[in-house]
Amino acid sequence: GDSVTQMEGPVTLSEEAFLTINCTYTATGYPSLFWYVQYPGEGLQLLLKATKADDKGSNKGFEATYRKETTSFHLEKGSVQVSDSAVYFCALSAKTPLVFGKGTRLSVIA
Amino acid sequence: NAGVMQNPRHLVRRRGQEARLRCSPMKGHSHVYWYRQLPEEGLKFMVYLQKENIIDESGMPKERFSAEFPKEGPSILRIQQVVRGDSAAYFCASSPGGMDQPQHFGDGTRLSIL
Repeated sequence: GDSVTQMEGPVTLSEEAFLTINCTYTATGYPSLFWYVQYPGEGLQLLLKATKADDKGSNKGFEATYRKETTSFHLEKGSVQVSDSAVYFCALSAKTPLVFGKGTRLSVIA
Repeated sequence: NAGVMQNPRHLVRRRGQEARLRCSPMKGHSHVYWYRQLPEEGLKFMVYLQKENIIDESGMPKERFSAEFPKEGPSILRIQQVVRGDSAAYFCASSPGGMDQPQHFGDGTRLSIL
């Protein structure tokens, strides 16, 4: 079945550092890909999405590019802030219920 | 513009009791999804409903769990005779259309079983 694998956390970075969180997927068909963010005690918020190969999703300085050849959707941000501390989930949907990775906890220290 | 509303936020039950979790979707959304999140895990799909219909319940345990989304009122996830392993965060999401539409999540109900 469909699955998502993302890098294990926790990831700890200093403010203004570069962030990469790796995500790879296995799916039949052509899924849409998503990154969700979860702040403590809250639900998931959609951060960005891409619906076809080579699409780039971007929001709030975060970017991810749908790479069909490597089945990847890595999340990047050029300069993280303390307020970016959260858990980040990669997910896919091929007109099916969302399938999530296990999440990567990011802590940004001043 | 209210988002997805879940209540209660926290629910404590003793083993053997029933737990009822409620979800009101965003205005204009007629599709509801329930997910379960165990500690340090991602969310796992449980059930997908449209008004008065269960579309996909492939992720829901066959026993003790049920879900409904009546014509009027919120969607309800019901867990009968709860056990310790049911302790988790339960999230509801809604979308205006089918699964190709982005899903908007509520803040979840954290269920603790004593």
